[in-house]
Amino acid sequence: GQNIDQPTEMTATEGAIVQINCTYQTSGFNGLFWYQQHAGEAPTFLSYNVLDGLEEKGRFSSFLSRSKGYSYLLLKELQMKDSASYLCAVLDSNYQLIWGAGTKLIIKP
Amino acid sequence: TAGITQAPTSQILAAGRSMTLRCTQDMRHNAMYWYRQDLGLGLRLIHYSNTAGTTGKGEVPDGYSVSRANTDDFPLTLASAVPSQTSVYFCASSDSKDGNYGYTFGSGTRLTVV
Repeated sequence: GQNIDQPTEMTATEGAIVQINCTYQTSGFNGLFWYQQHAGEAPTFLSYNVLDGLEEKGRFSSFLSRSKGYSYLLLKELQMKDSASYLCAVLDSNYQLIWGAGTKLIIKP
Repeated sequence: TAGITQAPTSQILAAGRSMTLRCTQDMRHNAMYWYRQDLGLGLRLIHYSNTAGTTGKGEVPDGYSVSRANTDDFPLTLASAVPSQTSVYFCASSDSKDGNYGYTFGSGTRLTVV
């Protein structure tokens, strides 16, 4: 079956760095997405990786290793507004997104 | 503003009643999706449509039906609501133009079945 695993909840301090991991086992792979979802709102796109390596976009970076079925989202200089759930999703062989359950990130002052 | 519009924003529905959740997009995306999101379970696909005139079943289709008469609209119908259908429902769309497979989401419909 298809499976995406990520931690349920993480806590970090304002101004610090946090890494959210995601491992996946899917039927085919056509890319991996990270979405941010604030409480009561819709998910919004953060990043897309299809090749191995690190993609940097401001304070956020996303890493992919296809051979290991592994990705992480790195958030630097954490701000209170970064408190949200972060969803990992893999585009499978049918070009449909398979979603992880999300990681709730709590930022403390 | 271009995007996806869902209606209603929230609804309380008596068990056994029917209801249609509306979803309209103005981006001319080919594919559209309906998800439900429950605490601890993440997003689960109910039905999808890869193009106008076609639909398919997702992970949790029972109790729901969809239609895709045109590119822009993708309504979700609950024929006879049950309390287990209490959830937040998100409509999304995507298009593979230029290799961009990312999904755009509507703001969601919070449904309570009592």
